[in-house]
Amino acid sequence: SQQGEEDPQALSIQEGENATMNCSYKTSINNLQWYRQNSGRGLVHLILIRSNEREKHSGRLRVTLDTSKKSSSLLITASRAADTASYFCATPNFGNEKLTFGTGTRLTIIP
Amino acid sequence: NAGVTQTPKFRVLKTGQSMTLLCAQDMNHEYMYWYRQDPGMGLRLIHYSVGEGTTAKGEVPDGYNVSRLKKQNFLLGLESAAPSQTSVYFCASSYWGTSGRYEQYFGPGTRLTVT
Repeated sequence: SQQGEEDPQALSIQEGENATMNCSYKTSINNLQWYRQNSGRGLVHLILIRSNEREKHSGRLRVTLDTSKKSSSLLITASRAADTASYFCATPNFGNEKLTFGTGTRLTIIP
Repeated sequence: NAGVTQTPKFRVLKTGQSMTLLCAQDMNHEYMYWYRQDPGMGLRLIHYSVGEGTTAKGEVPDGYNVSRLKKQNFLLGLESAAPSQTSVYFCASSYWGTSGRYEQYFGPGTRLTVT
């Protein structure tokens, strides 16, 4: 079963605009991770936010976590054509042995 | 460092044939994983290993077997391939769960078609 569900499933924006995608999950977690997947490639880890953090930044990425609502958001600012990819949230099981991935948001940046 | 590598990159099998996918990592990671990715389904965990000589079932283990004889290698076997196993297979690895380093590193994938 899917622990994380991303919203929207697909998003198209103009280059330079900001892109926001959301993730909801079901059980308590100690961290949440976001990954990017370019077409035909493996996933690449972007950022991890721990359960005691509310917001985290990395370059043009900003991640928020609301544990009371069991939700997270990923904001990409000043989007570029190279940001075109699918983005997945992932949550670990209690022992941090394995991750469960959502179904992803497909982001298209229009030049 | 090569990171995580997968062999082969592409394969076409006939129903009933068997094959083994090889995953290798050079980061001295304890944990290794096999996922499959189907359109609209995200990634689903097939099997994983928390150390050399150990394996455990994931979400969709049926029809697959795995072995972790060496720390750096994780093999995924299909004993009798079925069309439902047509998918893209990804291997990943990570540090110990208690290390505080939880991110997974992925290989480039193997595209398998079963006819």
